[in-house]
Amino acid sequence: EAQVTQNPRYLITVTGKKLTVTCSQNMNHEYMSWYRQDPGLGLRQIYYSMNVEVTDKGDVPEGYKVSRKEKRNFPLILESPSPNQTSLYFCASSPGTDYNSPLHFGNGTRLTVT
Amino acid sequence: GENVEQHPSTLSVQEGDSAVIKCTYSDSASNYFPWYKQELGKRPQLIIDIRSNVGEKKDQRIAVTLNKTAKHFSLHITETQPEDSAVYFCAASGYALNFGKGTSLLVTP
Repeated sequence: EAQVTQNPRYLITVTGKKLTVTCSQNMNHEYMSWYRQDPGLGLRQIYYSMNVEVTDKGDVPEGYKVSRKEKRNFPLILESPSPNQTSLYFCASSPGTDYNSPLHFGNGTRLTVT
Repeated sequence: GENVEQHPSTLSVQEGDSAVIKCTYSDSASNYFPWYKQELGKRPQLIIDIRSNVGEKKDQRIAVTLNKTAKHFSLHITETQPEDSAVYFCAASGYALNFGKGTSLLVTP
């Protein structure tokens, strides 16, 4: 089944403890992206990647890192999480190399930082 | 960057009525306008999209219209059903893909 898989679905951690949220897609998509969703703010882009080894900042990149060493994987890294990073995170992929193709979203990761 | 405004933020309709959600954008170079539906506790899923060379697109009970001159586009849902209840996001793509803040649609039986 074609899908975007995120892990974990739920994560509770403490301030400053490094964490990684994994994202993998099996559709051979070029474009991958991370979003955070907060009440009243919609979906805001954190980072995106248009190809392997190419990553760029979105609207809210502060406090996050990503890597794209292979096409299928696009992990989100929080080196030193803070409470303001408590949010619902979505990974997404699309077949195009730009923004003009439908996005396929993962099931989301709900992160709580205490 | 692109600014996408979406209205209303909440919308309540009776089953069988129509629902309309409107979005405006600021970047005249935007050329792709998708709509996503997010049911409670689930991921956003594409329901319809339109490109700048088309003024209207329809898929069963859902239609999207685009007015490039006025820089606005709208989602129309006819004969609404309770399963249409969800949050709907519009987006506009040009230099980047920017989402509106969402509309929470409630369809009451």
